Amino acid sequence: AQSVTQLDSQVPVFEEAPVELRCNYSSSVSVYLFWYVQYPNQGLQLLLKYLSGSTLVKGINGFEAEFNKSQTSFHLRKPSVHISDTAEYFCAVSDTDKLIFGTGTRLQVFP
Amino acid sequence: GAGVSQSPRYKVAKRGQDVALRCDPISGHVSLFWYQQALGQGPEFLTYFQNEAQLDKSGLPSDRFFAERPEGSVSTLKIQRTQQEDSAVYLCASSLEPLGNQPQHFGDGTRLSIL
Repeated sequence: AQSVTQLDSQVPVFEEAPVELRCNYSSSVSVYLFWYVQYPNQGLQLLLKYLSGSTLVKGINGFEAEFNKSQTSFHLRKPSVHISDTAEYFCAVSDTDKLIFGTGTRLQVFP
Repeated sequence: GAGVSQSPRYKVAKRGQDVALRCDPISGHVSLFWYQQALGQGPEFLTYFQNEAQLDKSGLPSDRFFAERPEGSVSTLKIQRTQQEDSAVYLCASSLEPLGNQPQHFGDGTRLSIL
C-alpha cells in the first residue's frame, strides 16, 4: 500500500523568507502526487499536482514542487512567503481509487 | 457556487444517536469520496462511489458506518449508534472522472462532535 511521510509537523518562518515543506512517499510503479492546503474550518484546496513529464511543477499562490523519483520525494517550496500562507499543508499520493494523505505540516508565517 | 457542498457544517450528537451527513458534489462529477479527518491528522479514506456504485468501502471503520449515493449525485454518510471516537471532520470530495490522476475537489466538511 502507498504511504506518505511529512517530516515536519510545524514550520515557523518569517514573512518574505523562503520555505520548503518536505514530503516523501512509498515507491510505486507509477505515482500521482498532490499538495493540498487547508485553511482553518475549510476543506482542502489543490495547490499543485504531479502526473508525469517535467519534474518541476508550478501551482497556485507562487508554490512549486519538485518530483524526485530516486529520493521518492515531492517537496513543496515557495521563494517568499506571505502572512496569508499560514495554513496546514498536506501531501498526498493517489492509490488507485483514493488519496493517501500525510499527517500535514502547519506553516506559520510571522511578520 | 459550483463547489462541493456539505451539510450540516456542524453537528453535535449524544453518544448512541444516529447521524446523517450530506454531500452535494460538483455537477457532472462521476467520482465521490468520503474522508474522515481527526483533530491534527490528515484525512483518511472512508469510501468511494463511481456514479451510484459503491466501489470501495474498505476505509469504513465499522458496520455502524453506511454511505449511499442512490442516484449518482447527492451522497449521504450515516453513522449509527455514535461513539465518542466518531468525533471528527468528515470531508466529501468529488472528481470528474474515475481516474487516479484526477484532482479531487473538497467540500468544507462537517464537524461532528459526539458528547
